[in-house]
Amino acid sequence: GAVVSQHPSRVICKSGTSVKIECRSLDFQATTMFWYRQFPKQSLMLMATSNEGSKATYEQGVEKDKFLINHASLTLSTLTVTSAHPEDSSFYICSAPGGVNYGYTFGSGTRLTVV
Amino acid sequence: AQKITQTQPGMFVQEKEAVTLDCTYDTSDQSYGLFWYKQPSSGEMIFLIYQGSYDEQNATEGRYSLNFQKARKSANLVISASQLGDSAMYFCAMRDSPSGGYQKVTFGTGTKLQVIP
Repeated sequence: GAVVSQHPSRVICKSGTSVKIECRSLDFQATTMFWYRQFPKQSLMLMATSNEGSKATYEQGVEKDKFLINHASLTLSTLTVTSAHPEDSSFYICSAPGGVNYGYTFGSGTRLTVV
Repeated sequence: AQKITQTQPGMFVQEKEAVTLDCTYDTSDQSYGLFWYKQPSSGEMIFLIYQGSYDEQNATEGRYSLNFQKARKSANLVISASQLGDSAMYFCAMRDSPSGGYQKVTFGTGTKLQVIP
């Protein structure tokens, strides 16, 4: 079945540094990728939507310059958290329309801790 | 705008008993889809069941069934014969109209289910 491979699964970084999270679709082409953020014990909140070959669409309140999204190919979308701060510590998860489960395949998530 | 409401922050159920997790939604679209996902402590999102707005039959997937009441805009998840491994967060979610463009998925706040031996 369709798989979205997300890496890294866990990352700890120092405040002020940047972190890149990759989501790669396997066995299917993901022209669109949804990026979610989930704080502890809270729901998934959509941050942005990336589309291959065009600029990402950000949800209201999400800083474009802080969360850089690139959809370089039909199988790869990346989220870069720039100048990370402790308040950016969260669980980030991607999801691509396509594949099984009525159209949505999730990555396994990345737990980011900024110290 | 779409909205998903899950009014039960936490639920307990005895092993082997059935449990119902509530979900109500609000949308002005005629065509939409409803999902339930399970999220264990590892964080992965596990698809459980899907109901399309035009589906006349309630969806079932093994021990999971979705009690879809369109007029009341509710989509409750029923888990039969609960198992210890069912302990997790459960999210109700909805995607908007499939006509054109991509389809965003909106999630409810979740219900933490704990199965008691």
